Amino acid sequence: EPEVTQTPSHQVTQMGQEVILRCVPISNHLYFYWYRQILGQKVEFLVSFYNNEISEKSEIFDDQFSVERPDGSNFTLKIRSTKLEDSAMYFCASSEAGVTEAFFGQGTRLTVV
Amino acid sequence: AQTVTQSQPEMSVQEAETVTLSCTYDTSENNYYLFWYKQPPSRQMILVIRQEAYKQQNATENRFSVNFQKAAKSFSLKISDSQLGDTAMYFCAFHRNNNDMRFGAGTRLTVKP
Repeated sequence: EPEVTQTPSHQVTQMGQEVILRCVPISNHLYFYWYRQILGQKVEFLVSFYNNEISEKSEIFDDQFSVERPDGSNFTLKIRSTKLEDSAMYFCASSEAGVTEAFFGQGTRLTVV
Repeated sequence: AQTVTQSQPEMSVQEAETVTLSCTYDTSENNYYLFWYKQPPSRQMILVIRQEAYKQQNATENRFSVNFQKAAKSFSLKISDSQLGDTAMYFCAFHRNNNDMRFGAGTRLTVKP
């Protein structure tokens, strides 16, 4: 069964460093999303991506964040100059169409120290 | 803005019993989709059930069913014959066309033997 794959599963980084979280969406899906979940809290929308551009982003997704689909299969989330409060679980998701269910990856646990 | 409210932070149920998780949402849209996702301790996000707003019939998936009240903007999840493996966080989610999916704060369900 096709699935969304995220790497790494766990990333530890020093405050101020840049991190890139990687995702391989399901191959025939056209819509891609990043969400984050601070431990014990709700799942928060960051950004949606369609047709090689951002279609919507939340207030959390500021200039510190960027997304890219560099090669037609990977979908990356870059966090520049990480802060302690960026520590969270980051989920990538993809969907076939804009309103079908999103399939989630296993998540990347980011720890900023 | 779309908001999703889950008013029960925690619930518990005896194995084999039935439990209902509540969800309300706020939107001015007429066409949208609603989902329930399950997040077990592994923290993976797993789709449980989906409901298209234009369908009057309540969705059912084996032991899981919803009570969708469009006028009241209510979307509750009923789990019948609860099993120990149903223990998880359950998130209600709202998705409108080509945009982000918004999640409720979640309900932690514990199934007791």
